[in-house]
Amino acid sequence: SQKIEQNSEALNIQEGKTATLTCNYTNYSPAYLQWYRQDPGRGPVFLLLIRENEKEKRKERLKVTFDTTLKQSLFHITASQPADSATYLCAPPNPVNDYKLSFGAGTTVTVRA
Amino acid sequence: DADVTQTPRNRITKTGKRIMLECSQTKGHDRMYWYRQDPGLGLRLIYYSFDVKDINKGEISDGYSVSRQAQAKFSLSLESAIPNQTALYFCATSDNRGHVYNEQFFGPGTRLTVL
Repeated sequence: SQKIEQNSEALNIQEGKTATLTCNYTNYSPAYLQWYRQDPGRGPVFLLLIRENEKEKRKERLKVTFDTTLKQSLFHITASQPADSATYLCAPPNPVNDYKLSFGAGTTVTVRA
Repeated sequence: DADVTQTPRNRITKTGKRIMLECSQTKGHDRMYWYRQDPGLGLRLIYYSFDVKDINKGEISDGYSVSRQAQAKFSLSLESAIPNQTALYFCATSDNRGHVYNEQFFGPGTRLTVL
């Protein structure tokens, strides 16, 4: 069955370092993938979308890659700041769900000052 | 979040009670969604609607029903609440430009506890 897995461990990093989050999917090949940020007690907020024919996408200090061979997307936060502390969700479309978005459980990032 | 509102924000109820969660949006989007979020499980789709006359089940629709009263309003009902429906519920919207790639806009969530 189709499955989405994100880093199970929370990431705890020093301010200024790069955080790298992993999203792996199995048994299907999504045409695109979205990344969202969620703060405690709030709804997710869209960050980036990457399509299968795009290897890399950037937005300010954020970078997303999409490796269709490895069935993996990496999400990087460069020059991290305490304000980047949040949970980050990957969301590819899922054929089981008629290609609606299926969200990973998320990876919680804490940036220490 | 102000473009997508949910009421109530918090609700505690008892097993067997009927509960309605409401969602309103001012974004003018045709597409609306209801998700639940449980720790460690991510967001799971309950129901979605692509316009006022369109209602579709998501991956976990059992025990839930919905009503799309207008383009801007989409309600989720628990006909007879049970404790394992305790969760954080989110409403989301998206527009229908260009098919499936469009980002979703989420409301602030409703924290529901069923005792």
